Amino acid sequence: SAVISQKPSRDICQRGTSLTIQCQVDSQVTMMFWYRQQPGQSLTLIATANQGSEATYESGFVIDKFPISRPNLTFSTLTVSNMSPEDSSIYLCSVTQGRRYGYTFGSGTRLTVV
Amino acid sequence: LAKTTQPISMDSYEGQEVNITCSHNNIATNDYITWYQQFPSQGPRFIIQGYKTKVTNEVASLFIPADRKSSTLSLPRVSLSDTAVYYCLVGAQHASGGSYIPTFGRGTSLIVHP
Repeated sequence: SAVISQKPSRDICQRGTSLTIQCQVDSQVTMMFWYRQQPGQSLTLIATANQGSEATYESGFVIDKFPISRPNLTFSTLTVSNMSPEDSSIYLCSVTQGRRYGYTFGSGTRLTVV
Repeated sequence: LAKTTQPISMDSYEGQEVNITCSHNNIATNDYITWYQQFPSQGPRFIIQGYKTKVTNEVASLFIPADRKSSTLSLPRVSLSDTAVYYCLVGAQHASGGSYIPTFGRGTSLIVHP
């Protein structure tokens, strides 16, 4: 299965600032996703990162707040913009090489906004 | 979208077999059922995937009845290191008819006692 490198692993940020999270995969993948996991909660899908086009956002998530890039089949970034303490969460990148092959997750980025 | 329902928590003891059942009444014909394991501060890890009947690998078994409206993850002889959250996933087609979306339910928190 694919190996994901997600950076940074954690960060503490000031409110009002932005943080860009990187997801690098060691092989080309069909689909890339970004999730958020708030403390003690399940994973919530933020968006599907589409290669060469705008990401597809889930209800409750907007591009201005969570801009996503995917310039090629092995890399994507998620930016958390104009952060507030409510954005404190773990953000995870996930990839798949096809529905029958399951999904691989990065180790996550633990974000704390103060 | 196929929604899943699992017990919120389960307790077991070392050496016992653990069975976690997931309900997914609205599963679609082309959907696969996938189970993930998540330890604290880590991303979810793929355990097993199946479509119907029984699937077994070196870690677990997955039992799926003919109607596919539920599935049971079976962990043989659990150890303390199996303490984790277990998620049942059923694939769902995106509302726009495009991407395949993995949707997480609340998961089952399994605690294995000595």
